[in-house]
Amino acid sequence: RKEVEQDPGPFNVPEGATVAFNCTYSNSASQSFFWYRQDCRKEPKLLMSVYSSGNEDGRFTAQLNRASQYISLLIRDSKLSDSATYLCVVSPYNFNKFYFGSGTKLNVKP
Amino acid sequence: NAGVTQTPKFRVLKTGQSMTLLCAQDMNHEYMYWYRQDPGMGLRLIHYSVGEGTTAKGEVPDGYNVSRLKKQNFLLGLESAAPSQTSVYFCASIDSYDLPVAFFGQGTRLTVV
Repeated sequence: RKEVEQDPGPFNVPEGATVAFNCTYSNSASQSFFWYRQDCRKEPKLLMSVYSSGNEDGRFTAQLNRASQYISLLIRDSKLSDSATYLCVVSPYNFNKFYFGSGTKLNVKP
Repeated sequence: NAGVTQTPKFRVLKTGQSMTLLCAQDMNHEYMYWYRQDPGMGLRLIHYSVGEGTTAKGEVPDGYNVSRLKKQNFLLGLESAAPSQTSVYFCASIDSYDLPVAFFGQGTRLTVV
């Protein structure tokens, strides 16, 4: 069983739409959670950390559900520049490993 | 501020050849990682290091070796390259124990023919 699973997409949405991604993780002992963004043929970059209480950064909202072991990312008012692959990342308490999901591809169209 | 630098950025190898990928970070990070990324597979951890002189196996270590002789450098070696090792390789290091943000190098595109 994979440590982290994501719907690969692609999600094709018009500009201005709201889109949500989910990610599930298998290890209940996981402690740290993140969303990374990866543009085509580029390295992943941190989008936001995910806190137990949920957190928001502009148009982006991340939530964590420990009981069901899933993480979500909500993007409001999608922009063309949001087109990318979004990677869910999970780490145990000692950060010796970062487990990546296979990514969800988002295409925002005019 | 260079961050994480990988060399080389591109390489073509013949089956059976060997090579070393270098990852260098100037942020004084303790933890460093080597990943490979294949289409539809996400990033898979090859080896990692939690400090100078230490290394450990990740999810897919076979066919690779690593060394961390200096804190700032993490080397990934392929002793006898195989076509199955054709991939994009990313090195990463993390910021701190309190906020473990991973910083990535730009990647090395390796093709084994």
